[in-house]
Amino acid sequence: QLQLQESGPGLVKPSETVSLTCAVSGGSISSGRYYWGWIRQTPGKGLEWIGSIYYSGSTYYNPSLKSRVTISADTSKNEFSLKLTSVTAADTAVYYCSRMKTTVTPIFSWGQGTLVTVSS
Amino acid sequence: DIQMTQSPSTLSASVGDRVTITCRANQSISTWLAWYQQKPGKAPKVLIYKASTLEGGVPPRFSGSGSGTEFTLTISSLQPGDFATYYCQQYDSYPLTFGGGTKVEIK
Repeated sequence: QLQLQESGPGLVKPSETVSLTCAVSGGSISSGRYYWGWIRQTPGKGLEWIGSIYYSGSTYYNPSLKSRVTISADTSKNEFSLKLTSVTAADTAVYYCSRMKTTVTPIFSWGQGTLVTVSS
Repeated sequence: DIQMTQSPSTLSASVGDRVTITCRANQSISTWLAWYQQKPGKAPKVLIYKASTLEGGVPPRFSGSGSGTEFTLTISSLQPGDFATYYCQQYDSYPLTFGGGTKVEIK
């Protein structure tokens, strides 16, 4: 059974870079059958799709965040990561990793989420 | 980006009530719409996709309808476990976008 587990710092200072990792078990990110993505949830903006990656390395980003986001994958560790640069308080959110069948699809598989707070 | 607007934002109802939530897109998305249920501290869970297809294991009291720009989620008889927040999501085009949510509260 697929499990997605996010990890990362719970607290980040403004202007810094936050790095999150999603460990995948019960499935291989290099299988080529799925895309692996990130979504965040803030009190202000609600649910926001951040981006996704295919095992080949192809990435798809939300244009609203594209200049600050990098999603990468480590197939040897069966995990993928999110880097968000120049964070502000507006980036305070619960970040979820996910598995998707295509780049435009419902999101059937979610991690439990990890809270990132941006504060000095 | 396609904008998704849900109404109402909050809904007070009693067990056994019929509940309807509306989701509107600012351009046609055919039937590329999903509905999610989210409970506090948990990730959203798909209830319905392709506007009206019930996800496996979801009780038949949940139903979805609509196409184009207007969609509804109906709970035919509200049960205690249904008090939650509901979101719509379009997957007609990238980037994926979500509605603002409808919180179903106990009356």
